[in-house]
Amino acid sequence: KNQVEQSPQSLIILEGKNCTLQCNYTVSPFSNLRWYKQDTGRGPVSLTIMTFSENTKSNGRYTATLDADTKQSSLHITASQLSDSASYICVVSPQYNFNKFYFGSGTKLNVKP
Amino acid sequence: EPEVTQTPSHQVTQMGQEVILRCVPISNHLYFYWYRQILGQKVEFLVSFYNNEISEKSEIFDDQFSVERPDGSNFTLKIRSTKLEDSAMYFCASKYRDSTDTQYFGPGTRLTVL
Repeated sequence: KNQVEQSPQSLIILEGKNCTLQCNYTVSPFSNLRWYKQDTGRGPVSLTIMTFSENTKSNGRYTATLDADTKQSSLHITASQLSDSASYICVVSPQYNFNKFYFGSGTKLNVKP
Repeated sequence: EPEVTQTPSHQVTQMGQEVILRCVPISNHLYFYWYRQILGQKVEFLVSFYNNEISEKSEIFDDQFSVERPDGSNFTLKIRSTKLEDSAMYFCASKYRDSTDTQYFGPGTRLTVL
C-alpha cells in the first residue's frame, strides 16, 4: 500500500535553533518527493521538489535530503524563525502517474521566542 | 506573482444541498487539482484534471462530486448532495506542466455542512 509517514507529529523549538523533520514512504516506483509548508488555515506552499536521482535540494534556510534506496527524506530548517511555525508536509508521486499525490500527515512545528 | 484564487472563502450549506466551489488557476497552467482537508487531518487528493478531462481521481471522489472547466479560466468542484462529513477545507491547485513542476495551491474554501 502506498503510504507516506512523517515524524515527529509535532515539534517545539526555540527561535534560532535548527531542526530536522522526517518522511518515510512506501510509494513505489517513486517519481518525486515534495515538501510543503502550510500555515494554519492556508493552502500549502511548495518548498522543494526532488526526483529519485537527487540527494539534496535547498531553498534558503530549508534543505531537503532524499535517500531513494531507503525511501527516506528529511527537511532540515536552519536558524529557525517565528515565521517557520507551520505544518510541514511531505508528498510523494509515483512514477507511473505524475498526477497522483500521496500526502503525509505533516509535522506541526512551533517556534518559540 | 500569479496566484490561484478561490471563491467563496467560506460556504455554509444545509445537508442535501448542492454546492459549487470555484477556482481560478494560474492562467498558463495546464493541470488542475482539487484537494480536501478535514479539520485537524491531512490533505487528501480528490481529483486531477487535464485537457478537459479527469486524469486521476481518488476513492473519495464518488458520484456526488464532479469537476468542470466551463470557460477556460474557472475550474469548479460541484458536490451534488452534501453530507455532514463533506465539511472540510477544499483546496484548488494548478501547475504548468507534468512531472516535477511546482504545484500552486489556492487559499481554500471552508465548507460547513449543517
